Amino acid sequence: TQLLEQSPQFLSIQEGENLTVYCNSSSVFSSLQWYRQEPGEGPVLLVTVVTGGEVKKLKRLTFQFGDARKDSSLHITAAQPGDTGLYLCAGAPGSYIPTFGRGTSLIVHP
Amino acid sequence: GAGVSQTPSNKVTEKGKYVELRCDPISGHTALYWYRQSLGQGPEFLIYFQGTGAADDSGLPNDRFFAVRPEGSVSTLKIQRTERGDSAVYLCASSLTHGALGGYTFGSGTRLTVV
Repeated sequence: TQLLEQSPQFLSIQEGENLTVYCNSSSVFSSLQWYRQEPGEGPVLLVTVVTGGEVKKLKRLTFQFGDARKDSSLHITAAQPGDTGLYLCAGAPGSYIPTFGRGTSLIVHP
Repeated sequence: GAGVSQTPSNKVTEKGKYVELRCDPISGHTALYWYRQSLGQGPEFLIYFQGTGAADDSGLPNDRFFAVRPEGSVSTLKIQRTERGDSAVYLCASSLTHGALGGYTFGSGTRLTVV
């Protein structure tokens, strides 16, 4: 059983479309991180959220941490082919060791 | 170094053989983590070092897996009597301190294939 459930598992869209991916858990996290991973590379940190209800923006990416610190979402506006990759959320429980979800594989077609 | 370096990038070994995977973290990072990523899955935690000591090895699947970090810098993940099910990408990450909100810097991984 995955501690963190990510949805959708796969997403294939056209350039310019908007999308949202979700990360859900029944556990409370002290912090939650979003990473992007490209084929043959390790995950690269995009953002860390720590406060319930927190919203962070990174250019066209908007990250939200749920009020109860059990879930998070990532919204991408006007997706571009360079956004293609595997988006992973990782929750750090009290031990601070990140536990990863299975990821959302995003393909943005030109 | 500028980033986390993992060697080799690819390793093919025969079932039953012994392998060593190396991780060179960012200079000055005290915390080092090993993860394993199978196809279509997210990274799965294996072991975490704080300095030279293994602070949490609860993710190691069995006693065929062992890791060391003798001088608090480079770490080696050792797998004995490899099995086909060990095939995966082994990722190493480091951070300045454990629990650093600045996140973890990952290497590109070692792709292990057991034939």
